[in-house]
Amino acid sequence: DVKVTQSSRYLVKRTGEKVFLECVQDMDHENMFWYRQDPGLGLRLIYFSYDVKMKEKGDIPEGYSVSREKKERFSLILESASTNQTSMYLCASSPWSGSNLNTEAFFGQGTRLTVV
Amino acid sequence: GIQVEQSPPDLILQEGANSTLRCNFSDSVNNLQWFHQNPWGQLINLFYIPSGTKQNGRLSATTVATERYSLLYISSSQTTDSGVYFCAVEGNSGGSNYKLTFGKGTLLTVNP
Repeated sequence: DVKVTQSSRYLVKRTGEKVFLECVQDMDHENMFWYRQDPGLGLRLIYFSYDVKMKEKGDIPEGYSVSREKKERFSLILESASTNQTSMYLCASSPWSGSNLNTEAFFGQGTRLTVV
Repeated sequence: GIQVEQSPPDLILQEGANSTLRCNFSDSVNNLQWFHQNPWGQLINLFYIPSGTKQNGRLSATTVATERYSLLYISSSQTTDSGVYFCAVEGNSGGSNYKLTFGKGTLLTVNP
């Protein structure tokens, strides 16, 4: 079974703190993604990575950065957390589409982050 | 980028009823997936279906790629089917590769 694991289910942080959200996948997938989900706005892509040390901005990268030092791990970093970053964060992984006809994506269990 | 529209936005059923959820997309796709979001927020994979028809128990899905739509059928619905159903696509034109673009979802409520 494909497994994508996020480090925390629930997280409460203070405004201004540096926050790390960690995601690990065990399927040797090339692609990894961070989305946030907000009521009325749906799921929006923050950043994605198609290889180690490679990253691409998604639709809403402002206020976030990412790190991918190892293939299986993709970290989302909130440099200085703000209340408008209170949200549900979802990590996903998928195989590279160029090498695989099946590019099915799998998601972690999500992290509910509250910034107070 | 690619646009994804789901309908209806909300659906209320009695247990045992059948339903059809629709997903329209604006461009050709490499990947189309249907997900069910459980009460804890996790996205559960239902179907990977860029084209054709698949069935899994009471659920089935059909994607007509040339006409840019997909349908998710739920038969003999149960209360445990309640939740939000998402369609997500990966476009195959520049700027859309790799990433999934999600529709806004269909909120399904199945009453006993």
